[in-house]
Amino acid sequence: GNSVTQMEGPVTLSEEAFLTINCTYTATGYPSLFWYVQYPGEGLQLLLKATKADDKGSNKGFEATYRKETTSFHLEKGSVQVSDSAVYFCALSVQAAGNKLTFGGGTRVLVKP
Amino acid sequence: EPEVTQTPSHQVTQMGQEVILRCVPISNHLYFYWYRQILGQKVEFLVSFYNNEISEKSEIFDDQFSVERPDGSNFTLKIRSTKLEDSAMYFCASSEIGGLRTDTQYFGPGTRLTVL
Repeated sequence: GNSVTQMEGPVTLSEEAFLTINCTYTATGYPSLFWYVQYPGEGLQLLLKATKADDKGSNKGFEATYRKETTSFHLEKGSVQVSDSAVYFCALSVQAAGNKLTFGGGTRVLVKP
Repeated sequence: EPEVTQTPSHQVTQMGQEVILRCVPISNHLYFYWYRQILGQKVEFLVSFYNNEISEKSEIFDDQFSVERPDGSNFTLKIRSTKLEDSAMYFCASSEIGGLRTDTQYFGPGTRLTVL
């Protein structure tokens, strides 16, 4: 079956620090990969996505590259802000599986001023 | 920017009672989904819906659950007889295309269901 594993949090950083959240996956078929973010009290928002190997998704200073050889989609940001404090979810969908999303467990990130 | 909305934001119910969670997907979207997140656990797929019928459902989506699109805008999840373990955050999502074609799913803010 399909599964997503991401690093457990919480991850606590100082403002302007470098953030990496690891995400690896297993999938039957060729997955599309996503990062969703959940700010306190809000729903899930798509942060970025990549649909084929070596694609790089980017948004709001965040980046993730689809690495098929290592089955990974690690999220990075070079300089975090307090406003980046949230829970980050890695997810995949496979066309043959009807487009449903399979999520990782989420990583809580706390950025301190 | 169009968004998915959900009501209520928080629902408290007694065990054995029926609840209906409501969602208004983005207007030109054709595929609709329900997910849930039990506190401290992963977001889990429940069901997908297209063309007025269920496309796919998970093992969680048993006979106690049903979905409906009663009109052109609402998409509802009904739990007939709630159990304590149904307490969770329920997310609705919609996408413009789906099925065998990958598309971005847009999520609502969720309804927190508490079963006492």
